[in-house]
Amino acid sequence: KQEVTQIPAALSVPEGENLVLNCSFTDSAIYNLQWFRQDPGKGLTSLLLIQSSQREQTSGRLNASLDKSSGRSTLYIAASQPGDSATYLCAVGNTDKLIFGTGTRLQVFP
Amino acid sequence: DAGVIQSPRHEVTEMGQEVTLRCKPISGHDYLFWYRQTMMRGLELLIYFNNNVPIDDSGMPEDRFSAKMPNASFSTLKIQPSEPRDSAVYFCASTDGTSRITDTQYFGPGTRLTVL
Repeated sequence: KQEVTQIPAALSVPEGENLVLNCSFTDSAIYNLQWFRQDPGKGLTSLLLIQSSQREQTSGRLNASLDKSSGRSTLYIAASQPGDSATYLCAVGNTDKLIFGTGTRLQVFP
Repeated sequence: DAGVIQSPRHEVTEMGQEVTLRCKPISGHDYLFWYRQTMMRGLELLIYFNNNVPIDDSGMPEDRFSAKMPNASFSTLKIQPSEPRDSAVYFCASTDGTSRITDTQYFGPGTRLTVL
């Protein structure tokens, strides 16, 4: 059974720091891996999608990498801003389901 | 497009009562998913539909839970009778399936259910 773990569970950093969120999964037979952002009282917004054949994806200040063989993904946020404060979820995709990690709650303070 | 619409946004009920959560997917999307999010278990898929037909309900926790999709623009998730351990945020998501259905799912804002 696929299990997805995210470390750390919570993170508080000052504005401007570069930071890394980690995601690990137990079964490397995945089709894709996705990073989502969740704001309080709102749904999930997809940030980056990495297909199993890809190594990384970038969008603005965000960069996500995928190492299938080791069962790991990282989300790198450059020059963090208070507006980045949210919960970040990673999810691995198998044939027809997304399996989510429990998330990292990020707070960026001015 | 208004996105995925869920109602109510908040529901507080007493143990033993029937609860019905509602979802309107994005127009043209033929896949609809129901998820549940709790502190202990995170976000879990309960059931998903394709063209109004339930495809996989293996995540439905027990017989007290049921889901229907009578037409392409409406789905319900019903809990009868409700229990305090059902307290969670329930999300609905939809996609059009033009790519792999795990590639792009659009999530609604969720319904926060509290069972007293």
